[in-house]
Amino acid sequence: NAGVTQTPKFQVLKTGQSMTLQCAQDMNHEYMSWYRQDPGMGLRLIHYSVGAGITDQGEVPNGYNVSRSTTEDFPLRLLSAAPSQTSVYFCASSGGGPGATNEKLFFGSGTQLSVL
Amino acid sequence: GENVEQHPSTLSVQEGDSAVIKCTYSDSASNYFPWYKQELGKRPQLIIDIRSNVGEKKDQRIAVTLNKTAKHFSLHITETQPEDSAVYFCAASLAGGFKTIFGAGTRLFVKA
Repeated sequence: NAGVTQTPKFQVLKTGQSMTLQCAQDMNHEYMSWYRQDPGMGLRLIHYSVGAGITDQGEVPNGYNVSRSTTEDFPLRLLSAAPSQTSVYFCASSGGGPGATNEKLFFGSGTQLSVL
Repeated sequence: GENVEQHPSTLSVQEGDSAVIKCTYSDSASNYFPWYKQELGKRPQLIIDIRSNVGEKKDQRIAVTLNKTAKHFSLHITETQPEDSAVYFCAASLAGGFKTIFGAGTRLFVKA
């Protein structure tokens, strides 16, 4: 049981390049989300999904796209990377769903992204 | 949307002393309040949580309190140990962990 798997662990991009951060979970969780972590600013919610085919914006969605074609996968796409997107990115999942009692977030190991 | 404020940003205590971290939230619809601990270079991990129908919860040296009327909740760590040194995040969400919003974090230093 791998939990939440994120790839890659490190990535360096040039301004304007695109890339996809991968996230997969094997716990059959309905709820998945992406956060970015910057010094002194905690974890800020980028996008989230409450199930396959359903996504919505979080606190800081600009510059990022997501899709949820399966329960297991929730990739995060940067279409045109900017230096302001330099950050550590975490994917998280939970059993989720309104009324659920399994709210604990399971985090991936993170991706350190640098945009030059 | 929900906004979570956390204080202090840095806290330094002597080993064996208690540490208290305080948070406030803005959305009265939030009903689940977890606390996560993040060690250097690691992913955040849940240490304790509380739901809105409970005022206090304790797990060994860690306790959380919730005042839903005032929209305040706090983390209390007693008999601190050097291994408690980490960044602690409070958070608020709807049921199911749906749309969890985090505070900015508190860096706790426990001096031996």
